[in-house]
Amino acid sequence: QKEVEQNSGPLSVPEGAIASLNCTYSDRGSQSFFWYRQYSGKSPELIMSIYSNGDKEDGRFTAQLNKASQYVSLLIRDSQPSDSATYLCAVNPSGAGSYQLTFGKGTKLSVIP
Amino acid sequence: GAGVSQSPSNKVTEKGKDVELRCDPISGHTALYWYRQSLGQGLEFLIYFQGNSAPDKSGLPSDRFSAERTGGSVSTLTIQRTQQEDSAVYLCASSRDMAGEQYFGPGTRLTVT
Repeated sequence: QKEVEQNSGPLSVPEGAIASLNCTYSDRGSQSFFWYRQYSGKSPELIMSIYSNGDKEDGRFTAQLNKASQYVSLLIRDSQPSDSATYLCAVNPSGAGSYQLTFGKGTKLSVIP
Repeated sequence: GAGVSQSPSNKVTEKGKDVELRCDPISGHTALYWYRQSLGQGLEFLIYFQGNSAPDKSGLPSDRFSAERTGGSVSTLTIQRTQQEDSAVYLCASSRDMAGEQYFGPGTRLTVT
């Protein structure tokens, strides 16, 4: 069973702080990693993708990947109340023809004004 | 440009009835995926279409579920003889090609009474 694990939270951070969201995955051969943001009652929205070890920055968001540790994280700098949502980690597992994503259950982030 | 669209946005049906859910992917995207999200559960993969290749049906939970993709574009997910446990949000996603970033539609909320 290929699994993706996230702390369910809630993770509460004050406005302006850095929010750190973490994800581990079981399939060592996984190649593609994604972070989605999901507001209550809405569908997931892609915010970051990462494919290589290291950091990838996009505005206030930084994704970090460590394949040796099977760990991917998302940092949100200068957190805003509008960042309050559930963040889903998704992994494209290895294997022939395996293009569907395996999702974690998400971490609920609350940014306190 | 236009994103993934789904219809209907909400569907209430009686147990035992058949339902059809529609997905219109982003223009030019060759890969299309169906997932479902139940309360308290993560996103669960159902089926994947890539171009004219045979679909990956490995996630369909029972033979009551089927899906088609006509002309490499619009897809229909059909659930026959619906059960209460089929109540969930059914999400469609598309990507430019296999293994690419997946973009989700707004979903169809299915309630089986």
